[in-house]
Amino acid sequence: NAGVMQNPRHLVRRRGQEARLRCSPMKGHSHVYWYRQLPEEGLKFMVYLQKENIIDESGMPKERFSAEFPKEGPSILRIQQVVRGDSAAYFCASSPTTDFNEQFFGPGTRLTVL
Amino acid sequence: AQSVTQLGSHVSVSEGALVLLRCNYSSSVPPYLFWYVQYPNQGLQLLLKYTTGATLVKGINGFEAEFKKSETSFHLTKPSAHMSDAAEYFCAVRETAGNKLTFGGGTRVLVKP
Repeated sequence: NAGVMQNPRHLVRRRGQEARLRCSPMKGHSHVYWYRQLPEEGLKFMVYLQKENIIDESGMPKERFSAEFPKEGPSILRIQQVVRGDSAAYFCASSPTTDFNEQFFGPGTRLTVL
Repeated sequence: AQSVTQLGSHVSVSEGALVLLRCNYSSSVPPYLFWYVQYPNQGLQLLLKYTTGATLVKGINGFEAEFKKSETSFHLTKPSAHMSDAAEYFCAVRETAGNKLTFGGGTRVLVKP
């Protein structure tokens, strides 16, 4: 059973470009969470999604950031018009249900904005 | 809002010595508690978790943690450090009614030979 997959593992963008980060949850998992880890900091919750629904986006910046988890395919975290402050590691986690206590994390995507 | 405090952003221990990493949380209602480990350039791996029941929880790689409600703490220990324990450790809580994890700032462990 493959774990949570994230791609790309490393992404370099220039200021003003768009970044698309992909997350494929573990097989059988229908709940996806995105977290951001800024340099020298802990992980901060961004958004929680189920298939085709955003359940909690209380940690998402108000502008430029969006997330989706379509019926088919991976979850996508999209950052428009990136700025240097968006440089961070973005982690995706998944769980099979909300009653399940553990979230399984992917290896992360490290975004560098030049 | 929930908060998690890890005392000490860096800890240095000698190989074979006790590892003690401190974690305190702010919730008035006992949440679910987790310790994760992160090796360089990798994702997070669950070490152990507390949900209900016995307050002393054993995890992987010889680690254990004790939930103390009166102290709102969930400190992580390992009796004898190994070189392979060098990593960053994160304490996290999840409110029983919610889904998101709130993480502490992390503690980087250095193991000296």
